[in-house]
Amino acid sequence: DQQVKQNSPSLSVQEGRISILNCDYTNSMFDYFLWYKKYPAEGPTFLISISSIKDKNEDGRFTVFLNKSAKHLSLHIVPSQPGDSAVYFCAVPDSGSSNTGKLIFGQGTTLQVKP
Amino acid sequence: DAGVTQSPTHLIKTRGQQVTLRCSPKSGHDTVSWYQQALGQGPQFIFQYYEEEERQRGNFPDRFSGHQFPNYSSELNVNALLLGDSALYLCASSLDPASTDTQYFGPGTRLTVL
Repeated sequence: DQQVKQNSPSLSVQEGRISILNCDYTNSMFDYFLWYKKYPAEGPTFLISISSIKDKNEDGRFTVFLNKSAKHLSLHIVPSQPGDSAVYFCAVPDSGSSNTGKLIFGQGTTLQVKP
Repeated sequence: DAGVTQSPTHLIKTRGQQVTLRCSPKSGHDTVSWYQQALGQGPQFIFQYYEEEERQRGNFPDRFSGHQFPNYSSELNVNALLLGDSALYLCASSLDPASTDTQYFGPGTRLTVL
């Protein structure tokens, strides 16, 4: 039973436009969420996180939105750049809060940003 | 400052064999976690080592075992390999067992079981 789901395996956008990557979760006790980015032949790298006490967290071109009632989070990249082309994973700490190193990952969404 | 390193990069084994994968954590990190990433899937947590002991374990059989050395490096051992063990094995290190957004991942070892 998948607790974290990314239902879009791939997404293609034009450079300069907005990229929106989505993630759904099943456990309402989860209260901390992370996004990782992975380039080929490299390990995932932490991108941005959000706590359930917030509904939005922004870091430069990257913004994560959290809708707790819908158990849904999204990552917005504005403007998208070709260097953003990568696989994006949403992840949740297994205990639901930030005090465990065990992460549950979604399946990932491959983003392609076309020049 | 060297990041997380893993060896080997690629490995081909046959069913029933045993394999050992190695990980050196980022300098200053004392906690190592291992993940399995099957094709088209997200990474799945195997186990975590801290202070040379297994602290947490995911839903993996006993064929998967590990070790952490006094210098914090770690090994992942898989016995009696199955075709389904073919995957990318990722190692992540952190400053403490509870760390999440400060986990640093290595590039992984691609294991193919024939």
